[in-house]
Amino acid sequence: SQTIHQWPATLVQPVGSPLSLECTVEGTSNPNLYWYRQAAGRGLQLLFYSVGIGQISSEVPQNLSASRPQDRQFILSSKKLLLSDSGFYLCAWSRGQGGSPLHFGNGTRLTVT
Amino acid sequence: AQSVSQHNHHVILSEAASLELGCNYSYGGTVNLFWYVQYPGQHLQLLLKYFSGDPLVKGIKGFEAEFIKSKFSFNLRKPSVQWSDTAEYFCAVIFTGGGNKLTFGTGTQLKVEL
Repeated sequence: SQTIHQWPATLVQPVGSPLSLECTVEGTSNPNLYWYRQAAGRGLQLLFYSVGIGQISSEVPQNLSASRPQDRQFILSSKKLLLSDSGFYLCAWSRGQGGSPLHFGNGTRLTVT
Repeated sequence: AQSVSQHNHHVILSEAASLELGCNYSYGGTVNLFWYVQYPGQHLQLLLKYFSGDPLVKGIKGFEAEFIKSKFSFNLRKPSVQWSDTAEYFCAVIFTGGGNKLTFGTGTQLKVEL
């Protein structure tokens, strides 16, 4: 069966520090991978989307970037965090076929102080 | 731009009451429709989905949703809610031609009281 791992679960970082959140998927190959940010009252905002290694689509211009160094690894990064980067970040995967449902990780609660 | 709207942000019901949560989207083309649920302290999980065929789809835990194309709607229903249904519910849509990207509504927080 497929599993998705996302870490860390919580993170407190000072403004201006770098960020690296990691997500890995097991039990499937060539998944679509996603980073979402969940904010109260605002639903889930798609940040990045990847259909393959090295292929990243950025949905919202911002202070963050994403990379996919391996087929089942998706990394969310920032060189210098802003206060506004605080939030709940979710990684998800889906099969490559159109319309396939997403499967979410447990999320990372990021607090920038 | 395509968007998904959930007009009820907070809903409070008593056990055994009937539930209907609204979801509307703005797009004239083909869509795939989903409802996700997030129970307190848990990750998002799929409740039900619609791709094609019978517009009335049934999901887990007694939930169902009806796709009404003319109204651009995909409302979630349950005839009799339970305390354990307390959760946040998200409607989500894949708009054809946009890859497999899921666009979410803002969510509805449901609280079921005993």
